[in-house]
Amino acid sequence: KAGVTQTPRYLIKTRGQQVTLSCSPISGHRSVSWYQQTPGQGLQFLFEYFSETQRNKGNFPGRFSGRQFSNSRSEMNVSTLELGDSALYLCASSLGGQVLDGYTFGSGTRLTVV
Amino acid sequence: KQEVTQIPAALSVPEGENLVLNCSFTDSAIYNLQWFRQDPGKGLTSLLLIQSSQREQTSGRLNASLDKSSGRSTLYIAASQPGDSATYLCAVRPLDSGYALNFGKGTSLLVTP
Repeated sequence: KAGVTQTPRYLIKTRGQQVTLSCSPISGHRSVSWYQQTPGQGLQFLFEYFSETQRNKGNFPGRFSGRQFSNSRSEMNVSTLELGDSALYLCASSLGGQVLDGYTFGSGTRLTVV
Repeated sequence: KQEVTQIPAALSVPEGENLVLNCSFTDSAIYNLQWFRQDPGKGLTSLLLIQSSQREQTSGRLNASLDKSSGRSTLYIAASQPGDSATYLCAVRPLDSGYALNFGKGTSLLVTP
């Protein structure tokens, strides 16, 4: 079956611009989480959505936002980009109904801010 | 706040060796622990998921154990191969974090032919 699909794979943006990243979860999965990965900080949790509702949010500024659609696809938006936002952004999906569920990750979107 | 530590940060072994990767966490109040593999520039591949009530899980040449009371997990790789070269990450799901995973910084493994 198809895995977690993230688009685009690579992005180059200029400081001050905004960007939208997309994530399509595994069919039947209703939970989508987003993580930022950088060499210095490792993997950090951004937010998690289930049935179009944000259930959890990490410690990131309000410039980072997300949403989930009725088909469970999710988008993440970063406004007023800063150089420090350069990172690999990973999306993960799970069935979502139980906290015991494991996660399946996508291949990520590599964002470079110049 | 849950802290997850992985030791060593990097490891180089000759092909065929059995090896152990370590993961420790500061708060034993977790739902589960998951081991992932990450190839350079790629996403995470799930290897094993251990629920807090379990002691170990096995998949092929991989075996992961969990000692929740001491805050430790180990990933055992038998008969290592060059294709096992990657970064291995462990992540815990704390009881108080809702649906967020706390990751360690990973162990970078190189298996030489």
